[in-house]
Amino acid sequence: GAGVSQSPSNKVTEKGKDVELRCDPISGHTALYWYRQSLGQGLEFLIYFQGNSAPDKSGLPSDRFSAERTGGSVSTLTIQRTQQEDSAVYLCASSLKGESGTQYFGPGTRLLVL
Amino acid sequence: GESVGLHLPTLSVQEGDNSIINCAYSNSASDYFIWYKQESGKGPQFIIDIRSNMDKRQGQRVTVLLNKTVKHLSLQIAATQPGDSAVYFCAENTRGGSNYKLTFGKGTLLTVNP
Repeated sequence: GAGVSQSPSNKVTEKGKDVELRCDPISGHTALYWYRQSLGQGLEFLIYFQGNSAPDKSGLPSDRFSAERTGGSVSTLTIQRTQQEDSAVYLCASSLKGESGTQYFGPGTRLLVL
Repeated sequence: GESVGLHLPTLSVQEGDNSIINCAYSNSASDYFIWYKQESGKGPQFIIDIRSNMDKRQGQRVTVLLNKTVKHLSLQIAATQPGDSAVYFCAENTRGGSNYKLTFGKGTLLTVNP
């Protein structure tokens, strides 16, 4: 079956513009995670969704960042008024409910803010 | 706060040799650990995991060792191949809701020389 997919694969934007990043999780996975990976760094947790529960937004770095998950499947991460420090790879992962820790990652979206 | 870190940021080995990648964690309450492999331009790929009630687990050419006394984790790769060249991340479990929220280390770059 298909893995986690993300789009776009690359995004170049100008400072101050808004961007939307999309994630399609593996079918049937109820948990979805967003991470940010800066150059040469590990993965920084941003947000996760579990079924219909309220999302855990504790990792979002500022109120310019928001995410939605519609219908328990596709998720969109939105960054408003982008700044140069937002440049990074944004990774999405999904996992089966109750399957502890085995998160399957997408290829990521490489965001460059000029 | 909790953190996961790596002893060696880079490791270079000869093809056919065994590789050992080390990781230290600071949260003594962590009970689940994972190793991920990330190739250039791709998302992290699950390699192997281990729970805190175990001290060793083997997979195909890989072994994970856990020493809870000194809060140390290692990944051993037998007969390292060029295709093993990648960044390797360890991650620890931070409980959140009904799924795990992972904290990642910064990664070790493994280079396999032919």
